[in-house]
Formats: sequence, C-alpha cells, structure tokens
Amino acid sequence: GENVEQHPSTLSVQEGDSAVIKCTYSDSASNYFPWYKQELGKGPQLIIDIRSNVGEKKDQRIAVTLNKTAKHFSLHITETQPEDSAVYFCAASIGSARQLTFGSGTQLTVLP
Amino acid sequence: DADVTQTPRNRITKTGKRIMLECSQTKGHDRMYWYRQDPGLGLRLIYYSFDVKDINKGEISDGYSVSRQAQAKFSLSLESAIPNQTALYFCATSDRGGTDTQYFGPGTRLTVL
Repeated sequence: GENVEQHPSTLSVQEGDSAVIKCTYSDSASNYFPWYKQELGKGPQLIIDIRSNVGEKKDQRIAVTLNKTAKHFSLHITETQPEDSAVYFCAASIGSARQLTFGSGTQLTVLP
Repeated sequence: DADVTQTPRNRITKTGKRIMLECSQTKGHDRMYWYRQDPGLGLRLIYYSFDVKDINKGEISDGYSVSRQAQAKFSLSLESAIPNQTALYFCATSDRGGTDTQYFGPGTRLTVL
C-alpha cells in the first residue's frame, strides 16, 4: 500500500519567516494530495490540496508544490504568524475512493 | 452547531470492556470514516463507509467493528478493549459528488487501563 513520509517532525520559525514541510509518497498512482492543519484539541482541517495534473497551487500565504517524478510534495507558508502554530499533516490517496494515507505530522511553532 | 460531532469526547475504560464511540453529521455527506491518531504516527484509517449498506476495512481494522445506522450516523466499537487501543479517535465525512475534502469531528480521547 501507499506510504507517506513527512519531514521535519518539529519546526520552529520566527514570526514573519517562511516555513517549509516536505512529504514523499511511494505509490506513483497517487493523484490527490491534501494538507491538513490540526490545532490543539481540535480535529484536522483541510488548508490546501493539489491534484496530480497540477505542479503548484497557491492560496494567499500558503502554497503547495508537487513533483510527480520524484514523488514528493511540499507545503510552503510565507510570512508566518503565531496563529500558524499547529500540527500539519500531509496525505496522499489513489483514485476515487479517497482513502487517505497520512504522514506522521509536523509540529510548527511560530515564535513571536 | 458543529457539522460533525463525536460522543463521548473523553472516555476511560478498563481492559476487556466493550465500548462504543459515536459519530453524527449534519453535512448530508454519504461517506464516513473512522481514524485513529497516535503520537508520531499521524492518522490511520480504521473503517470507512460510502453509504449505509457499504462498509470497508481500512489499514488497522483488527479489534474494531463499525455500524452505519443511518446516513448521518457511524459508530465504532471496541468489543474487548486493550491498552494499546488507547488513542485519539476521529470521525470524518466527505461528499461523493464533492471536492474530496474530508471534514473531521473534534475527536474522542480513549484511555484503556
């Protein structure tokens, strides 16, 4: 089955700096790659996603890039703010079933 | 009101006990999922259901069972709880005709002593 590896497990940045989280996947048939943000005491919430027919997608301060050849995708957060502090999960899925395989998560801390 | 609710939010039980976690949704979605979250392991899929008559095993279904009582309700049962089932459990929903986004509930923290 699919395997998703996520790095780093923890990341601290100064407010206003950029943060990058990287994921690799194993199954070349995967075609949907969402990113979720989980705040303390809450369930994960989708922040951005990308499909395999697109190389990059941006939504305000958040962007995701996908390299299908290398089977990796990354989350980029610019101009980080304290409210960006949370655990971020990448995921991958194949086909229409949308059974997500999640990475192990990254604890992002934005220091004021 | 929250679109996806889970009850209970916290539960402490003993080894060998049967326990049921419940999930309800008001989003009108046909697909529902149960995940387990452990520190350092992300979320792992236990069971999923694409409609009331469709139940499928996920990555880690052993020791668990589910019931889809209605489109809006999906329950997870531990027939005989064991300590390594101590975890945070999440229910999620998605719309078959929608954007593939999965919407998560607030979670149930389960401790098995």
